[in-house]
Amino acid sequence: QVQLQESGPGLVKPSQTLSLTCTVSGGSISSGGYYWSWIRQHPGKGLEWIGYIYYSGSTYYNPSLKSRVTISVDTSKNQFSLKLSSVTAADTAVYYCARGKGITIFGVVTNWFDPWGQGTLVTVSS
Amino acid sequence: SYELTQPPSVSVSPGQTARITCSGDALPKQYAYWYQQKPGQAPVLVIYKDSERPSGIPERFSGSSSGTTVTLTISGVQAEDEADYYCQSADSSGPSVFGGGTKLTVL
Repeated sequence: QVQLQESGPGLVKPSQTLSLTCTVSGGSISSGGYYWSWIRQHPGKGLEWIGYIYYSGSTYYNPSLKSRVTISVDTSKNQFSLKLSSVTAADTAVYYCARGKGITIFGVVTNWFDPWGQGTLVTVSS
Repeated sequence: SYELTQPPSVSVSPGQTARITCSGDALPKQYAYWYQQKPGQAPVLVIYKDSERPSGIPERFSGSSSGTTVTLTISGVQAEDEADYYCQSADSSGPSVFGGGTKLTVL
């Protein structure tokens, strides 16, 4: 079955760019219909969707983070990546990658996520 | 921005039925999804499209929808069901919004 694994620095300095990679195993990231997604969870808090890259290459980001987020894909390595620029302490969180599926109802796309990676804690501190 | 509202906590004794609600204005038009998250672990999908159960999820987990409220029901609660539960849906503002989460305590 498909498995996802996040990797990247666990500590990032304020104002720098957070970079994470998600490696997909057990299936091709190029296979149709999936929304390869990033979700984060602040310590002791709830889940926040960051954005996705569709298998076609199109992206969609959370409006609250849109100006700082870039999600890209490397099909040759079966990986997709997250870049979050100009980070502050408020970006300290566990970052998850997940495979999303979608359905369109009344013109609205809804994603759901299965499976998820194990998550990686990123701390923003000098 | 769109919000999904869940109770912060629900408590139930083993063997009883736990019901966790999630309210949102767009829920009459959009499906809801439920995730279980145990401490230190990633969330796991337990219900999709309001009431469908993924393979491998015990039958005691079920979902329902009525108007602006969806409900996750866990029948015959077991100690291993103690976890945080999150609902998720969408509206025209974006494809994914999560509720604030509900901590299920098994007494």
